[in-house]
Amino acid sequence: ETVLTQSPATLSLSPGEGVTLSCRASQSVGRYLAWYQHKPGQAPRLLIYESYNRATGIPARFSGSGSGTDFTLTISSLQPEDFAVYYCQQRNSWPLTFGGGTKVEIK
Amino acid sequence: EVQLLESGGGSVHPGGSLRLSCAASGFSFSSYAMTWVRQAPGKGLEWVSSLTSSGDYTDFADSVKGRFSISRDNSLNTLYLYMNTLRAEDTAIYYCARNYAGNRQACFDIWGQGTMVTVSS
Repeated sequence: ETVLTQSPATLSLSPGEGVTLSCRASQSVGRYLAWYQHKPGQAPRLLIYESYNRATGIPARFSGSGSGTDFTLTISSLQPEDFAVYYCQQRNSWPLTFGGGTKVEIK
Repeated sequence: EVQLLESGGGSVHPGGSLRLSCAASGFSFSSYAMTWVRQAPGKGLEWVSSLTSSGDYTDFADSVKGRFSISRDNSLNTLYLYMNTLRAEDTAIYYCARNYAGNRQACFDIWGQGTMVTVSS
């Protein structure tokens, strides 16, 4: 099983700040990594697929990078609606796995 | 509008059974592999099971293998999750999700709002 480790677990930031979230895989997943945003009581939302491709309707302030075992999600300037939990997920091998999440909270 | 709507959640005793449904609308359901993902209280997302567009191939997490089954009725645009021998650790919100580009091994571009399953005595 490919274990995805996200860091840090929590970030406290102010609107307007930039942030980079990390996701590390226990073995190579190629570029088969996705990022999701999840708010309480809502459906998760696909942000990035195949490491760096923005999903439909996702603002340009969200960007992804990485390959192999190390990946990042960058939000260039946090908007009030961006405070949420972010998950990475790999589709390279079964079982499909998610990281433990990074909570981005308002400082 | 592309939409997934889960139903069938509720409270059940340990050892009991439950069937979840996911009604799809706004897209060609029969063209997409589909997936169930769950989130236990205070925990992260966990992939549970996936099913190809035709229903020919299924995959399960080890934690549910042998207890859960998945199926679909493409004529009704509905995905199902049959949960048997339920345990306390199956307590979670269960989300239905569409596999991106219809792929079997995929990320998920459309999600439902989820249905809560509580297993407790």
